[in-house]
Amino acid sequence: QVQLVQSGAEVKKPGSSVKVSCKASGGTFSSYAISWVRQAPGQGLEWMGGIIPIFGTANYAQNFQGRVTITADESTSTAYMELSSLRSEDTAFYYCARGSLDYGDKILWYWGQGTLVTVSS
Amino acid sequence: DIQMTQSPSSLSASVGDRVTITCQASQDISNFLNWYQQKPGKAPKLLIYDASTLQTGVPSRFSGSGSGTDFTFTISSLQPEDIATYYCQQYDNLPYSFGQGTKLEIK
Repeated sequence: QVQLVQSGAEVKKPGSSVKVSCKASGGTFSSYAISWVRQAPGQGLEWMGGIIPIFGTANYAQNFQGRVTITADESTSTAYMELSSLRSEDTAFYYCARGSLDYGDKILWYWGQGTLVTVSS
Repeated sequence: DIQMTQSPSSLSASVGDRVTITCQASQDISNFLNWYQQKPGKAPKLLIYDASTLQTGVPSRFSGSGSGTDFTFTISSLQPEDIATYYCQQYDNLPYSFGQGTKLEIK
């Protein structure tokens, strides 16, 4: 049974960085894409980027280019999303989601519980 | 980037009603479309992929159709547990953009 467990809520100051983790269990971690999606309070879903751990290279949405870094640690089956230069508009729930072997990162089959990041001075 | 436009943005219907949501892509995306359901306070859940393929375990009252730029999501007989926000998502081109969502309420 696939499970994605994310790290806990964070409160950050504007201009700082946040790193959210996503620990996967069930299945072979390295072969499955992990994507990150964010959702501002009361708003819709926004795809941020993703990574296939065995390849190590991440794709990013242009909106976040330069501010977001997605990595994966195969030894602990954990993916990470780091967002820098935080501003109040980055206050949101951040979700990780896992793809499949045949569809890669194109379909988000399993989701983490979400991590609330609050940016406030 | 491909823009996904859902309509309506909100919808109120009665239990047993047939409910239809549309999603339009700004360019041809073939059948590379997913539908997700998000209940309040929960993570999204995949319902349909490849525009019309039902995810395992999803009730058959849910269905999807369409290709190219125009897509439809249908609930054949609305149930109380279907109260949620529904999102389409294209995966033809990066970034894999979502529609703005359709909030479904019971009348």
